Amino acid sequence: DAGVIQSPRHEVTEMGQEVTLRCKPISGHNSLFWYRQTMMRGLELLIYFNNNVPIDDSGMPEDRFSAKMPNASFSTLKIQPSEPRDSAVYFCASSFQAAYEQYFGPGTRLTVT
Amino acid sequence: QKEVEQNSGPLSVPEGAIASLNCTYSDRGSQSFFWYRQYSGKSPELIMSIYSNGDKEDGRFTAQLNKASQYVSLLIRDSQPSDSATYLCAVNQAGTALIFGKGTTLSVSS
Repeated sequence: DAGVIQSPRHEVTEMGQEVTLRCKPISGHNSLFWYRQTMMRGLELLIYFNNNVPIDDSGMPEDRFSAKMPNASFSTLKIQPSEPRDSAVYFCASSFQAAYEQYFGPGTRLTVT
Repeated sequence: QKEVEQNSGPLSVPEGAIASLNCTYSDRGSQSFFWYRQYSGKSPELIMSIYSNGDKEDGRFTAQLNKASQYVSLLIRDSQPSDSATYLCAVNQAGTALIFGKGTTLSVSS
């Protein structure tokens, strides 16, 4: 099993640029989660999907953030425009169902200068 | 506001000792409980899950759950330097996403 796949692994961009993070969940998993992790705030849930439908996006910090899941095997998290305070590690995770154990991808380390 | 609380640490133990990590949660309706291990610069890795009161053992790891007192703990026996990491407690109710604590940093000295 390939596990959760994320790309890119590292992203360095300038303030104001658009950033797109990508995730491929484990095959057969119906729930997908996007998290952001910083030293100050720990692991924060941004949004999660069940069967490709967004269920809870209350963690999305503001309108600059958007997420899509066009099919069961692909999701994107987009930041437009990016700001230095968006610098963090972004994790994607998937699970069979929302209440079950989650499996994390390797993460994308985003640096906005 | 559903909360999961952990002591941030660091918790320092000598090699071979028992490390005890604790977690409390606020929502009495919580049904599933998980422990994740996160090495520096890596992603969280699931190491234990527990769903009913009592103890669950897996190798050197034991998860303990007490729903009446709303706490879950993780014991690591014969601690090794390779156990040095941050341990995240996660809790949820049926149908909702996991809520993670901020983690406890464990340091095992040789």
